[in-house]
Amino acid sequence: DIQMTQSPSSLSASVGDRVTITCRASESINTFLNWYQKKAGKAPKLLIFGASSLQSGVPSKFSGSGSGTDFTLTITGLQPDDFATYYCQQSYGTPITFGQGTRLDI
Amino acid sequence: QVQLQESGPGLVKPSETLSLTCNVSGDSITTSYWSWIRQPPGKGLEWMGYISKSGSTNYMPSLKSRVTISVDTSKNQVSLRLISVTAADTAMYYCARDRSGTYFSFEYWGQGTLVTVSS
Repeated sequence: DIQMTQSPSSLSASVGDRVTITCRASESINTFLNWYQKKAGKAPKLLIFGASSLQSGVPSKFSGSGSGTDFTLTITGLQPDDFATYYCQQSYGTPITFGQGTRLDI
Repeated sequence: QVQLQESGPGLVKPSETLSLTCNVSGDSITTSYWSWIRQPPGKGLEWMGYISKSGSTNYMPSLKSRVTISVDTSKNQVSLRLISVTAADTAMYYCARDRSGTYFSFEYWGQGTLVTVSS
């Protein structure tokens, strides 16, 4: 199985800040990497697919980069609505695996 | 507009079988891949398996001996069956569909259904 490791596990930031979350795959996954935002009581929301493509309707404050084993999600101009848990997920092969999540707190 | 809605018992006894359905509207289940994903309380997301548009299935190895995903084309539903459940199977269960043109980038999700395993 491909292991996905996110860092940090939690992150405190302020409104207006820029933050970066890292995701590392245990083997190369090309750019088969997706990012989700998860809020309590709601389904995950796809933010980025293919490592760097912005999902339709997602604001451009979210951006993704990377290939191979190392990936980043960057969020600029943090707003209260952005405080959530973020997950990376590899879609390179089965079993599909997720990172353990990064909780972004105010 | 694609919409997914999970349903099923909220409480299942240990050793019994968990059965959930995902009602799909706005899309035909025969044209996409459909996955089940769960999240235990306080934990992360776990992909359980998928059924393809051709009806082939693929499961998480740790669940393979207990899980079955199937479809009912007449009802446009996807089903999940998990046998011999334990407290570790307590989770929010989601069905999800791929983003068009990609595999396993989950664009569409149901609202989730909470299943508690307890006697």
